[in-house]
Amino acid sequence: DAGVTQSPTHLIKTRGQQVTLRCSPKSGHDTVSWYQQALGQGPQFIFQYYEEEERQRGNFPDRFSGHQFPNYSSELNVNALLLGDSALYLCASSRDGSNSPLHFGNGTRLTVT
Amino acid sequence: GQQVMQIPQYQHVQEGEDFTTYCNSSTTLSNIQWYKQRPGGHPVFLIQLVKSGEVKKQKRLTFQFGEAKKNSSLHITATQTTDVGTYFCAGGTSYGKLTFGQGTILTVHP
Repeated sequence: DAGVTQSPTHLIKTRGQQVTLRCSPKSGHDTVSWYQQALGQGPQFIFQYYEEEERQRGNFPDRFSGHQFPNYSSELNVNALLLGDSALYLCASSRDGSNSPLHFGNGTRLTVT
Repeated sequence: GQQVMQIPQYQHVQEGEDFTTYCNSSTTLSNIQWYKQRPGGHPVFLIQLVKSGEVKKQKRLTFQFGEAKKNSSLHITATQTTDVGTYFCAGGTSYGKLTFGQGTILTVHP
């Protein structure tokens, strides 16, 4: 039973570029949440997808967007990258969108230079 | 917006000593969850508390949810080197959104 998988594991981008991160949820999970974790900080909620729609959103600008596919996998897109976007991006899946426990992937380490 | 604060930020203990981390929310929570993140790893779910005043135990770990559902604590008895990591609380209010605290980094000296 595969857990949450994220790709790529590491990524280096230049300011102003765009990036797409991918996530496959744990088998049996239909809800995907994305978090940004800066070094030494707690995960910050970006948004949550359920039934292919963004259901909740944190305090992140519109440069951050996402998508959920019919197979429940998800993408996080970030446009016009800033140095401050450098962080670990964590995808977490859960069941039926309620406050059920989150299962996190290993994350994508994004470095913006 | 909702804020979740954790103290202390760091805790250094000798192996065998006890450890406690505290979590406070600016708003009433529907539930609180605790996660552990090992260095270089990702957060791993430990437990969820839902009821006012709830207490749950997992071996040497004891979790409490305050009567007002705005605060929580995690207590570890007789720490071991395997307890090293960052402990996060995460408060749930609106449907599906969890707000994480900044975490408590625990180091255990053998």
